[in-house]
Amino acid sequence: NAGVTQTPKFQVLKTGQSMTLQCAQDMNHEYMSWYRQDPGMGLRLIHYSVGAGITDQGEVPNGYNVSRSTTEDFPLRLLSAAPSQTSVYFCASTLTRAASTDTQYFGPGTRLTVL
Amino acid sequence: RKEVEQDPGPFNVPEGATVAFNCTYSNSASQSFFWYRQDCRKEPKLLMSVYSSGNEDGRFTAQLNRASQYISLLIRDSKLSDSATYLCVVERSGAGSYQLTFGKGTKLSVIP
Repeated sequence: NAGVTQTPKFQVLKTGQSMTLQCAQDMNHEYMSWYRQDPGMGLRLIHYSVGAGITDQGEVPNGYNVSRSTTEDFPLRLLSAAPSQTSVYFCASTLTRAASTDTQYFGPGTRLTVL
Repeated sequence: RKEVEQDPGPFNVPEGATVAFNCTYSNSASQSFFWYRQDCRKEPKLLMSVYSSGNEDGRFTAQLNRASQYISLLIRDSKLSDSATYLCVVERSGAGSYQLTFGKGTKLSVIP
């Protein structure tokens, strides 16, 4: 199993550009989520999905869209990039929705810089 | 009060030392607790869950005090490979899903 994969590893955007961060898992996990990690901050939840076709907002959803058309894929779209979105983005997945019973696995991250 | 608070460190300790990290959480409805480890420029990985009775995994011991809303991690006989940032994580459940809240992390450097 590849686990959770993310592409690209690094990206530089100009303000106003749009792009999609890709996330895929091959573990047949039901629950997937996107976090951002900024210096001096804990990971913050952007959006999550409890299964194909179902998504919901996390703590910091503004400026981001997600969709979940398949169990495996959970892309994160930046609609119009802003410097405040410069961050490291982590995708994560869990077999079911409860971290107390199932380990959450993280992808290797995407380092995004918005100029 | 922040939902999950940790001392950011850094903790610089010699090899073989014992070091303890503390974490406090503000939401008394929190149900599950974890310690994650994050190496520099890498993704977080689960180190261990924290149970009410306390639990041990080799050189690592985790404790939970629900009354004081306090979690701890003790590392005995520190190794160079223990150098990392340790994240305290708290889970709340509700509305058919769960939310993990991450602390900012405590940085540990083990020195030869």
